[in-house]
Order: sequence, then structure tokens, then C-alpha cells
Amino acid sequence: DAGVIQSPRHEVTEMGQEVTLRCKPISGHNSLFWYRQTMMRGLELLIYFNNNVPIDDSGMPEDRFSAKMPNASFSTLKIQPSEPRDSAVYFCASSWGQENSPLHFGNGTRLTVT
Amino acid sequence: DQQVKQNSPSLSVQEGRISILNCDYTNSMFDYFLWYKKYPAEGPTFLISISSIKDKNEDGRFTVFLNKSAKHLSLHIVPSQPGDSAVYFCAFFYGGSQGNLIFGKGTKLSVKP
Repeated sequence: DAGVIQSPRHEVTEMGQEVTLRCKPISGHNSLFWYRQTMMRGLELLIYFNNNVPIDDSGMPEDRFSAKMPNASFSTLKIQPSEPRDSAVYFCASSWGQENSPLHFGNGTRLTVT
Repeated sequence: DQQVKQNSPSLSVQEGRISILNCDYTNSMFDYFLWYKKYPAEGPTFLISISSIKDKNEDGRFTVFLNKSAKHLSLHIVPSQPGDSAVYFCAFFYGGSQGNLIFGKGTKLSVKP
């Protein structure tokens, strides 16, 4: 039973470059979440989708961040242009979408922007 | 404005003894409470949860306690095992929305053989 799959596991890029993070949720889950983890702020919700539709993107820090979910089995989080302060671990999670359903997380992408 | 506080960044316990992890919260709208466990280089994994209408929930070695009047959530692990060494996050739902999940900053538990 495959869990949430994220790629790449690690990404090192230079400031100003475009970064694309990818996520495949658990089959059958209809909600998908992008979180960012930093030492200072902990785990923060960036955006979440329900049935492929963005429901709440109030956590997206700036217009440089964008997320898409073209179908039920794939989502991307894009940062353009990237900045050093974007360095963090980005997690994707999925769930059944029912009230209080626990989220299932992927193993994250560690992003380093130099 | 922190709605959730895990005041102990780390905890060290001897194998076989009890581990007690704590969270305090300020938002009285929280109505569902969860604990997640995270190993290095992995994502958080759901461990146990409790509804606001209960004050205790058990699952094997893990018990979660909720004290609504004190706005306090705790996780007890008995007996502790070296494999329990991980970072533990408390998390809180409110308003029935999947997007309304607030995480604490975590407590690193080390269980020594």
C-alpha cells in the first residue's frame, strides 16, 4: 500500500531559479495539503485542495508560490523565483477529506536555496 | 500568537519507564486533538486522537488525555521503548475543516536502553 509520494527528496538550487515540487497522494484520498516546516515556525499549512479544487491558499507566503492539482493523483508546488528564505522541508499530505480525518504525510522535500 | 505550545523541546526517558508529552492550547474552538510521531527524514505519522467529548483514549501503549478546563493535552507512553525515540507533535482541529489543523512545534523524545 503506497503512501504519499513526494519528489525530489532533496533539491538544491540557486536564488532566482524556479523550483517545482511534486506529490502523488494516496489513491482514493480526495484532500491534498502542502505544508512547510522550518525551525522558527514549525509546520505551516500553505494550501489545501479538496477534489482537486484549491479550498484555502491563505498560507501561501507570496505570489512567488503557486500550487496546482490537475488531477486526483498529482499535485505540484512551484516557487518562482526562489529565495534563500524559502529553504525548508516541504511536506505533502492527503486524507479522505472527512471531518477530523488524520492526514497522511509524504517523506518531504528538503529545499535549499543558495 | 501561538495557539499551541509544546513547552518541552526535548525529553529523555529510560527504557521501560513512562514518557509523558504535553501540549497547552489557548483556542477553545479546538474540537479534535491528535498526536503525530516523526522520525528523521520521514513525514509525520498519525499516532492517536481524541474528541473533545472525551477525556481519555487508549491504544496499546499509548494513551491520550484531554483536560478541557485546563486546555491541556498529554500523551503517555507506557512502557517506553527505544523505537519510540522520535519527535512528537500535538495537532488540533477546529471548525470541522480539514484546513484548520494547527501543529505544535514538537518534542523530541529519546528513550535510552
